[in-house]
Amino acid sequence: DSGVTQTPKHLITATGQRVTLRCSPRSGDLSVYWYQQSLDQGLQFLIQYYNGEERAKGNILERFSAQQFPDLHSELNLSSLELGDSALYFCASSPQQRGGHTQYFGPGTRLTVL
Amino acid sequence: GENVEQHPSTLSVQEGDSAVIKCTYSDSASNYFPWYKQELGKRPQLIIDIRSNVGEKKDQRIAVTLNKTAKHFSLHITETQPEDSAVYFCAASTNGGSQGNLIFGKGTKLSVKP
Repeated sequence: DSGVTQTPKHLITATGQRVTLRCSPRSGDLSVYWYQQSLDQGLQFLIQYYNGEERAKGNILERFSAQQFPDLHSELNLSSLELGDSALYFCASSPQQRGGHTQYFGPGTRLTVL
Repeated sequence: GENVEQHPSTLSVQEGDSAVIKCTYSDSASNYFPWYKQELGKRPQLIIDIRSNVGEKKDQRIAVTLNKTAKHFSLHITETQPEDSAVYFCAASTNGGSQGNLIFGKGTKLSVKP
């Protein structure tokens, strides 16, 4: 157990809908990262937050957004869902905003868009 | 931006043999290189990492080597066991600035045959 929690574990929804994925980092970690893993694909970085502030953006679609709250949990919002958004979504946390620190991954949320 | 290439994409070995997975990176500013193991449907788990001030690091049957000049790093697993079967991802990040996201290779599916 990495100490990073994610809910829900599974999510099945229809095209055009909107969903929210939730992540709680390890105790003491201030950085939260979101990654997308599609079938047969590697891990694609989406976005990083540190202590409530956005720090870096990767290949995140405009239909996707995220935020980090004062208690440091983070939410990833996916809207106008398309079939191609079906994937495993992982969040990871680390103590610092800079690289060079171990990132611990949560168990992931499997999103299926029908 | 950073790009990480990983080879091979699949690797099959006999139990007891060694396995080697290689990665190259493009950004000379990258200085942190973790390796993650991911079993089917599970979270990526860190198995070993190396920083650019070190050329080699070992942890029991696992070792990682880094060649900064050539911008490549490798994972070596000796005396492989069936439970080593998984997908292995290499990654790179920098230790500067205000962001710490990892750039991952596309993964190597390792199969260890008993």
